[in-house]
Amino acid sequence: AQSVTQPDIHITVSEGASLELRCNYSYGATPYLFWYVQSPGQGLQLLLKYFSGDTLVQGIKGFEAEFKRSQSSFNLRKPSVHWSDAAEYFCAVGGNAGNMLTFGGGTRLMVKP
Amino acid sequence: DAGITQSPRHKVTETGTPVTLRCHQTENHRYMYWYRQDPGHGLRLIHYSYGVKDTDKGEVSDGYSVSRSKTEDFLLTLESATSSQTSVYFCAISNELNYGYTFGSGTRLTVV
Repeated sequence: AQSVTQPDIHITVSEGASLELRCNYSYGATPYLFWYVQSPGQGLQLLLKYFSGDTLVQGIKGFEAEFKRSQSSFNLRKPSVHWSDAAEYFCAVGGNAGNMLTFGGGTRLMVKP
Repeated sequence: DAGITQSPRHKVTETGTPVTLRCHQTENHRYMYWYRQDPGHGLRLIHYSYGVKDTDKGEVSDGYSVSRSKTEDFLLTLESATSSQTSVYFCAISNELNYGYTFGSGTRLTVV
């Protein structure tokens, strides 16, 4: 069975500081990996996705993520956080067409001025 | 989100009553999903559909049923609502050409 673990429930960073959100997955084949962001009261928006190829993927809003097969990880990074990045972030793993995604429990990011 | 709408956005209902949530898409996507979101649990799959009249159960399907009579509509029914079904419900769509979901804005359901 596939699963996703986001070890950090809450993270607080200062505005302008760098950010890394951790994601570890379990999947029996080559995974499709995703990061979503959810602002309060909103649905989830896709930040980036990895299917194959270059293990460093770029997304929207200046985010990037790196797929490390040996560590079963897909960590999300941003070099300089903005106050508007405060939100909840979800990592997800899925497979082929049909693509049912399994989500992690989420990491809530707070940004200090 | 553009192309996918959920209704109602908010609902309060009494224990034991049936409730139906609607998801409507204009993207002609094959796959549709219902998730519930609860603190600490992320999103958990309730039911999904891979075509008209083709549905299957997800991780937390007990107490829920679904129907898809048209490509664009996917209905989630709580047959007899319980307080444990108080949650935020999200619909999502996907297709083979665009892996990854597009989500609706969610329905906040409170069962009292």
